[in-house]
Amino acid sequence: QKEVEQNSGPLSVPEGAIASLNCTYSDRGSQSFFWYRQYSGKSPELIMSIYSNGDKEDGRFTAQLNKASQYVSLLIRDSQPSDSATYLCAVIPPWDMRFGAGTRLTVKP
Amino acid sequence: GAGVSQSPSNKVTEKGKDVELRCDPISGHTALYWYRQRLGQGLEFLIYFQGNSAPDKSGLPSDRFSAERTGESVSTLTIQRTQQEDSAVYLCASSLEEDRGSGANVLTFGAGSRLTVL
Repeated sequence: QKEVEQNSGPLSVPEGAIASLNCTYSDRGSQSFFWYRQYSGKSPELIMSIYSNGDKEDGRFTAQLNKASQYVSLLIRDSQPSDSATYLCAVIPPWDMRFGAGTRLTVKP
Repeated sequence: GAGVSQSPSNKVTEKGKDVELRCDPISGHTALYWYRQRLGQGLEFLIYFQGNSAPDKSGLPSDRFSAERTGESVSTLTIQRTQQEDSAVYLCASSLEEDRGSGANVLTFGAGSRLTVL
């Protein structure tokens, strides 16, 4: 089992819709969870971090964490074409930060 | 420095040659990571440093790969006897500290070193 699993996509949504990105992780001891966005040919950049169960909202982005289910998600409301990118879920298990393979999101005008 | 600096930005080498990739983390960042990203793929963890120590080397794909860090600053990733499958972008990232739950473990990435092995 991979440490961090994501649906590779591609996920396609129309402009203005809600994009839902999901991630599961294997280490129950993990305490820190992150969503990074990576545009093609660029380095990843942090969008959201979440450490407690529940929802965390930042503008159009909402991160959701359920430690019992070992599940973390990212919702993007009012999706824009500029949101088209690969979204990487990252988790800190005991030692270091591990990334999922990423979900490629395309927002169509 | 203001950001994570990596060099070279691009490296083309012949199969069998050794290459050295350098990472200058943000000043004061004690945690440093190396990842490999093949074209169209996710980030593959290679190694993590806390200070000058590497508690987790499990991600290094073979004994041709090695990394060191000195002065709790610059890190070098060395690939010996390069193979074509080593072609990838090698990303370095640093964070303030490994304090889980504090927000200080947010990674800042460098622009990467693109390695092409012919």
